[in-house]
Amino acid sequence: GNSVTQMEGPVTLSEEAFLTINCTYTATGYPSLFWYVQYPGEGLQLLLKATKADDKGSNKGFEATYRKETTSFHLEKGSVQVSDSAVYFCALSQRTSGTYKYIFGTGTRLKVLA
Amino acid sequence: DTGVSQNPRHKITKRGQNVTFRCDPISEHNRLYWYRQTLGQGPEFLTYFQNEAQLEKSRLLSDRFSAERPKGSFSTLEIQRTEQGDSAMYLCASSLDTGAEAFFGQGTRLTVV
Repeated sequence: GNSVTQMEGPVTLSEEAFLTINCTYTATGYPSLFWYVQYPGEGLQLLLKATKADDKGSNKGFEATYRKETTSFHLEKGSVQVSDSAVYFCALSQRTSGTYKYIFGTGTRLKVLA
Repeated sequence: DTGVSQNPRHKITKRGQNVTFRCDPISEHNRLYWYRQTLGQGPEFLTYFQNEAQLEKSRLLSDRFSAERPKGSFSTLEIQRTEQGDSAMYLCASSLDTGAEAFFGQGTRLTVV
């Protein structure tokens, strides 16, 4: 079945460091791919998305490129801030058995130190 | 539109009691989802509605769980005879028929004591 695998955290970085959080997926066909962010005690907020191969999603300095050949959707940011500290979830959606469903990875906790 | 709204935000209940949560999706969204999230894990799919029809239920949704979406608007998730293992964050999300992304509410945190 469809699945998403994320690098385990926590990831601890100093402010202004470069961030990469790896995400790979297993799916048939061409799923849509997403990154969501979750702050403590809150629901998930959509960070960025890509709906087809080679698309690049971007938002708030974060980027991720849909790589069909490596089934990956790695999240990157050139210079992290303390306010980026949160849990990041990679997800896919695909129509299976007549319904759309979103499948999430286990999340990667990011901690940015001042 | 203010986004997906969930009530209550927090619920503490004694084991064996019934609880009901409500979700108000974004008004033009046809699709509504319930997920459960436990500490340190990603959201796990529970059930999915397209308009008022419940089209899929996860194996995680035991017979103590029931969800409804009357008239294709708000949805309720009821848990009967709660158990300590039901303690989790319950998340609701909605999306458009042709849209790709789901928008999540802030969740209802259930604690069963």
